[in-house]
Amino acid sequence: GAVVSQHPSWVICKSGTSVKIECRSLDFQATTMFWYRQFPKQSLMLMATSNEGSKATYEQGVEKDKFLINHASLTLSTLTVTSAHPEDSSFYICSAPTESTNEKLFFGSGTQLSVL
Amino acid sequence: GESVGLHLPTLSVQEGDNSIINCAYSNSASDYFIWYKQESGKGPQFIIDIRSNMDKRQGQRVTVLLNKTVKHLSLQIAATQPGDSAVYFCAETFNDYKLSFGAGTTVTVRA
Repeated sequence: GAVVSQHPSWVICKSGTSVKIECRSLDFQATTMFWYRQFPKQSLMLMATSNEGSKATYEQGVEKDKFLINHASLTLSTLTVTSAHPEDSSFYICSAPTESTNEKLFFGSGTQLSVL
Repeated sequence: GESVGLHLPTLSVQEGDNSIINCAYSNSASDYFIWYKQESGKGPQFIIDIRSNMDKRQGQRVTVLLNKTVKHLSLQIAATQPGDSAVYFCAETFNDYKLSFGAGTTVTVRA
C-alpha cells in the first residue's frame, strides 16, 4: 500500500541552528503534502500545505520565513525550521493524499524536534 | 479551524468491553471524516472514514456513526483489547484533505 516516509524520526539541535525534515511518498506521486505540528498532549495543528512546483500555503499564524517548505518533486517535500529555538520543539508530521487506495490520506511517522 | 468535541479527554475501559468515543465537529460543510489512532511518538494511524452521504460505516471491530443534524461523530470499538490503548482523534475536511483535528481522547484499557 501507499507509504509516506519521514526523516529523521528525531533530532536534537542547538538553539539558532536550522533543521530540515523530509517527507517522501514512496510508491505514489503527491502534488500536495501537508505539514502538521503537535505539542505534547495536544492535537495536530495544520501548519502549511506544500504544493509541488509552487509556493506553499501557510495557515494563519505560521511564519513562512521560519518554516521553509520546498516541494521540488512529486515525491518529496521538505520542511526546514530555521534558526530554531526551544519553543519550536515539537512533533512534526507530514501527510500526503492519494486517490489510489481506499485510505485517502497517509501520514509519515513524525519527527520529534528538540531544541536545546 | 480546530474541531472541539463533545468528548471525554480520557476513557478507561475494561478489556473485552465496548468503547465509544465521541466527537463534535464545527464545520457543517465538512464532507469527509476520519478517525485516527495515535500511539506515543508515532504518526496517526487510519482507523475508519465516512463521507457525509452516509450515517454509519463498519470496519473490523470498529463502527463510525455520523449525525449531521447535530454535527456529531462517534467511534465504537467492539471487544476492546490492550492494543487499543492510544489517543484517538477525529478529523474533518471539506473538499480536500486539509484536515482539522479534534482534541483527542486517550483510551486506556484495563486488563
